[in-house]
Amino acid sequence: GEDVEQSLFLSVREGDSSVINCTYTDSSSTYLYWYKQEPGAGLQLLTYIFSNMDMKQDQRLTVLLNKKDKHLSLRIADTQTGDSAIYFCAEHTDKLIFGTGTRLQVFP
Amino acid sequence: DSGVTQTPKHLITATGQRVTLRCSPRSGDLSVYWYQQSLDQGLQFLIQYYNGEERAKGNILERFSAQQFPDLHSELNLSSLELGDSALYFCASSVVGSEQFFGPGTRLTVL
Repeated sequence: GEDVEQSLFLSVREGDSSVINCTYTDSSSTYLYWYKQEPGAGLQLLTYIFSNMDMKQDQRLTVLLNKKDKHLSLRIADTQTGDSAIYFCAEHTDKLIFGTGTRLQVFP
Repeated sequence: DSGVTQTPKHLITATGQRVTLRCSPRSGDLSVYWYQQSLDQGLQFLIQYYNGEERAKGNILERFSAQQFPDLHSELNLSSLELGDSALYFCASSVVGSEQFFGPGTRLTVL
């Protein structure tokens, strides 16, 4: 079956790193995505990783993929208050299956 | 701005009514996807169209239907509305097999 899980909340201090975790079940996923949703807004694609990659870095964002454990993580370096939002991971098989979302709160 | 537009931004209606949500994809994108986001169900895939044809179906109720027109815009029709249909409805578009770009959503409130 298809199931993508995330922890619901994460709270970090400004300037620290944030790590948002995600587990998925479908090993046939081709891409895995991270989306950001700010209050009252749509989903913004942050980054994605091909399923045959282990890591991808894009400025402050680092994505790690452990395909054996079906575990995906998003690390945000030097977290800012503007990073406060809900972060969704999603796996792509024949369609996108979204996780439950992790609400990141950044405090000064 | 993702390039995907959705109208209306907000919709308030009564139970039993029918509404139509509209989506215009990014220029050049042939695929359109519809999602429902609610507090209890999270973000759920409803349906995908590719170049006018239905490509994939998710958790879409029989009371809901969609279509994609020759100019590639899409409409999601929701009928016999119930209180539980209150949600944010997102449209996304993509070149097939690549990342999806989401519109700002339509917030539907059923009273």
